[in-house]
Amino acid sequence: AQTVTQSQPEMSVQEAETVTLSCTYDTSESNYYLFWYKQPPSRQMILVIRQEAYKQQNATENRFSVNFQKAAKSFSLKISDSQLGDTAMYFCAFMKQNSGGYQKVTFGIGTKLQVIP
Amino acid sequence: DVKVTQSSRYLVKRTGEKVFLECVQDMDHENMFWYRQDPGLGLRLIYFSYDVKMKEKGDIPEGYSVSREKKERFSLILESASTNQTSMYLCASSHRVVRREERVWYGYTFGSGTRLTVV
Repeated sequence: AQTVTQSQPEMSVQEAETVTLSCTYDTSESNYYLFWYKQPPSRQMILVIRQEAYKQQNATENRFSVNFQKAAKSFSLKISDSQLGDTAMYFCAFMKQNSGGYQKVTFGIGTKLQVIP
Repeated sequence: DVKVTQSSRYLVKRTGEKVFLECVQDMDHENMFWYRQDPGLGLRLIYFSYDVKMKEKGDIPEGYSVSREKKERFSLILESASTNQTSMYLCASSHRVVRREERVWYGYTFGSGTRLTVV
């Protein structure tokens, strides 16, 4: 079974600064996907960024980027130029790749990020 | 814009009541999921469905059942609500995207959640 660990329950960052959220995972699979999801207060959970394990290049989406270290099983999220709207709970998630069909996603417990004006 | 809609945002029920949580998606997705979200525990999978009338237990199915009579609708049922089922319930859907010879999954689309309180 896969496990996803987020060791930082809460973090804060000053507006316009950069913050990094940590995530480690444990799996025996070689092909899989990793995700970061964002859940703003009282709002819907949305996908922030996705990484495919077979790609060595780190994924980037505007101000959001990841540092994917496959050998270390580490998948951290970097938020540059933090904005007040980045205040949210962030979940790291794992999904193994399988051509057979449906896939479950394993989530971490989340990191609560507060952006301070 | 694609949507996953959960029928209630907030719900208060009494212990022992039968509770229905409804979820509808308009994206023709094959797969639908029910999670519960609790502080310090993250998201835990209750049940999922990969086709109409098909269902699979997740990690914490005890005390719950599900129904998927139509592709777009996935219902979570609490047969006899208990106070330990007070939680945020999230519905999600996903689909299979074929890219060249490889099936690629693009993650979930979530509903807005139902905060259920059992008193």
